[in-house]
Amino acid sequence: NAGVTQTPKFRVLKTGQSMTLLCAQDMNHEYMYWYRQDPGMGLRLIHYSVGEGTTAKGEVPDGYNVSRLKKQNFLLGLESAAPSQTSVYFCASKLDLVTKNIQYFGAGTRLSVL
Amino acid sequence: GQQVMQIPQYQHVQEGEDFTTYCNSSTTLSNIQWYKQRPGGHPVFLIQLVKSGEVKKQKRLTFQFGEAKKNSSLHITATQTTDVGTYFCSARRQAGTALIFGKGTTLSVSS
Repeated sequence: NAGVTQTPKFRVLKTGQSMTLLCAQDMNHEYMYWYRQDPGMGLRLIHYSVGEGTTAKGEVPDGYNVSRLKKQNFLLGLESAAPSQTSVYFCASKLDLVTKNIQYFGAGTRLSVL
Repeated sequence: GQQVMQIPQYQHVQEGEDFTTYCNSSTTLSNIQWYKQRPGGHPVFLIQLVKSGEVKKQKRLTFQFGEAKKNSSLHITATQTTDVGTYFCSARRQAGTALIFGKGTTLSVSS
């Protein structure tokens, strides 16, 4: 049982390049989330999904796209990377029960855009 | 939109001193969770509070949920160097599905 796995762990991009961050969970969770973490800003929600085939915008969705084609995977795409997207990206998942609001986080992806 | 305010942003203590972080909301919360993130690590769930006035303890950590369900606190008794990290509160909006995270309180401990 690996929990939540994020790939890659580190990446350096040039401005304008594209990339996809992969999040995979093996806990059969319905909900999945993508956050970015910047110094002094806490965790800000980019996009989330409440089930396979669904996605929704979070607090800071601009410049990002997501897909949830399979229940266990949640992909975050950057079509044209900008230096402002330099950040640490965390994926999280949780069960869909109201009383079980525990989010399980991946180890993070550290992205630098030059 | 609804925000969850956490104070203080930073706190430095001597080992053995107590530490408290507060989480405040302008609106009633359905429940609140606390997470800890070690330096260079990822957030890890600590506890969830659901009931008004609820108090839960985990060894040296005491968590409280306010009577009005608008605020919460995490208190650490006799801090140790292993307590170093950033503590986040997160809360569920009444009518939504996404959790809102506070900006966190970063605790440093000197021995």
